[in-house]
Amino acid sequence: NAGVMQNPRHLVRRRGQEARLRCSPMKGHSHVYWYRQLPEEGLKFMVYLQKENIIDESGMPKERFSAEFPKEGPSILRIQQVVRGDSAAYFCASSAKTGQAKGSPLHFGNGTRLTVT
Amino acid sequence: DQQVKQNSPSLSVQEGRISILNCDYTNSMFDYFLWYKKYPAEGPTFLISISSIKDKNEDGRFTVFLNKSAKHLSLHIVPSQPGDSAVYFCAASANTGFQKLVFGTGTRLLVSP
Repeated sequence: NAGVMQNPRHLVRRRGQEARLRCSPMKGHSHVYWYRQLPEEGLKFMVYLQKENIIDESGMPKERFSAEFPKEGPSILRIQQVVRGDSAAYFCASSAKTGQAKGSPLHFGNGTRLTVT
Repeated sequence: DQQVKQNSPSLSVQEGRISILNCDYTNSMFDYFLWYKKYPAEGPTFLISISSIKDKNEDGRFTVFLNKSAKHLSLHIVPSQPGDSAVYFCAASANTGFQKLVFGTGTRLLVSP
């Protein structure tokens, strides 16, 4: 009964490189969320996806960031041309099919810690 | 614009005593509130939640109180145990139909034996 799996756990990129973060939701969960935690801050919502659809991306920076959740395979958060300010912990979470807070709380993965040098 | 605030960055209590963690919010559209617990190098783990139609929810040693008029909620842990030492995040959501949670900045709880 695996939980939400994220990889890699740690990722180091030089400025200008691309970062790809992967997330496999819990078995049976079709709703995926990405949150970002900057140092000394709380988690901030980035994007909500269902299979093959982006439902809400209001928390995503307008440039360089993209997310997908294909029919097969994990959800991917992609950051192009990384800058030092992208250094953070990126958490993926999944929920059961209703996707409503009252019905099923989010289950978080252990995060990917991105460091941009 | 910090819509969910946890004004105490840290709290220290002795084992067996009560821990009280506080959270304030500003958005009156929030109708569901949650507490998450986070250990270092791990993701947040759901602890307890409360709907805005209630003022109290209890689960074992954990109780959450909601005061809507004051836009304030608190988490009580009694008795506190050393294993409760972690960062506690308060989170809130409006009725969007999905879990677009707004988190506070967290309170680090240290329970000493």
